[in-house]
Amino acid sequence: GNSVTQMEGPVTLSEEAFLTINCTYTATGYPSLFWYVQYPGEGLQLLLKATKADDKGSNKGFEATYRKETTSFHLEKGSVQVSDSAVYFCALRRGSGATNKLIFGTGTLLAVQP
Amino acid sequence: KAGVTQTPRYLIKTRGQQVTLSCSPISGHRSVSWYQQTPGQGLQFLFEYFSETQRNKGNFPGRFSGRQFSNSRSEMNVSTLELGDSALYLCASSPQGAQGEQYFGPGTRLTVT
Repeated sequence: GNSVTQMEGPVTLSEEAFLTINCTYTATGYPSLFWYVQYPGEGLQLLLKATKADDKGSNKGFEATYRKETTSFHLEKGSVQVSDSAVYFCALRRGSGATNKLIFGTGTLLAVQP
Repeated sequence: KAGVTQTPRYLIKTRGQQVTLSCSPISGHRSVSWYQQTPGQGLQFLFEYFSETQRNKGNFPGRFSGRQFSNSRSEMNVSTLELGDSALYLCASSPQGAQGEQYFGPGTRLTVT
């Protein structure tokens, strides 16, 4: 079945450090891929998405490229800020069919220190 | 445009009771999905509704049920609550019936004692 595997956290970085959070997936067909962010006490916010191979999603300095050959969608940011501290979820949605259902990874807690 | 709203935000129940959670989607959104978030199991899909019809159901016992009304508002019900039902319940709505982006509400924090 479809699944998402994310790197374990927590990830602790100093401000302005480079961030990578690894995400790999297993899916049939051509899923759409997403990164969501959850701040303390809040729901999930869509950070970026990619719907086909080689697409690059980007938002607020974060980027991720849909790599079908390695079934990966790693999240990167060149210079993190304290305000980026949150839990990040990688997710996939089946690429076809009448559904909006998301399958999530386990989440990665990012803590950025000043 | 107002976001997805969920009521109540916090709820404390005792084992054996039942609970109803409510979700109002973004205006114009007809697709609503529910997810359960726990520290141990992470984010798990519960149900998906579109135009008052349940399209998908996750792997949860029959104590978990839901419905969607003609105005797209949705409710989920959990009967005979167990301690393990303590979780953050998230609702998401989408402007499209399928293959659409999901917009999440703030969640309802349910604690079962």
